Amino acid sequence: DAGVIQSPRHEVTEMGQEVTLRCKPISGHNSLFWYRQTMMRGLELLIYFNNNVPIDDSGMPEDRFSAKMPNASFSTLKIQPSEPRDSAVYFCASSLTSGRSNEQFFGPGTRLTVL
Amino acid sequence: AQSVTQPDIHITVSEGASLELRCNYSYGATPYLFWYVQSPGQGLQLLLKYFSGDTLVQGIKGFEAEFKRSQSSFNLRKPSVHWSDAAEYFCAVGSTGGGNKLTFGTGTQLKVEL
Repeated sequence: DAGVIQSPRHEVTEMGQEVTLRCKPISGHNSLFWYRQTMMRGLELLIYFNNNVPIDDSGMPEDRFSAKMPNASFSTLKIQPSEPRDSAVYFCASSLTSGRSNEQFFGPGTRLTVL
Repeated sequence: AQSVTQPDIHITVSEGASLELRCNYSYGATPYLFWYVQSPGQGLQLLLKYFSGDTLVQGIKGFEAEFKRSQSSFNLRKPSVHWSDAAEYFCAVGSTGGGNKLTFGTGTQLKVEL
């Protein structure tokens, strides 16, 4: 079975540019999570969706970050404009949940470098 | 609010030695508990999980963990470490009612000496 798919795997961009990260969750999963991982701050939950609806976006750093989930098989995380401090590895994870936590399956991540 | 503490940032063990990684959680009810492993350049992979029942949980790659309610702990163990076990290990706690997110610890970096 295909796991969580993320694209691109690596992204290098210049400050001020728009960046879009993409995620395809595991088929049948109803929850999707976006994380950011840095050396300084570790693993941070940015936002998560349940049944395509954003449930908790309290981890989104600021208005430059936005996330969408137009359907059950696709989500995007957009940064506009990007800044060097956004450089990190961004993970998408999905799970099958029913009102309680369940194991999350992680994608391979997108390593973002903003110059 | 739930929280997870992994008190050891780095641990070094010799290959073949036993391993124990510590995890303490804070949660008002019986928690759901998880251990994940992250190899360099990779995403997180689930090692094992505890939902209920037997407090000693077996996972992949020869790992096990024991849930101790009295100590609010869920320590990860392996009797004999292999060089390929060098990675970062994350403990996480989940909600048993309402809310789907997991709260992760800060991770423990394991180094294995040959």
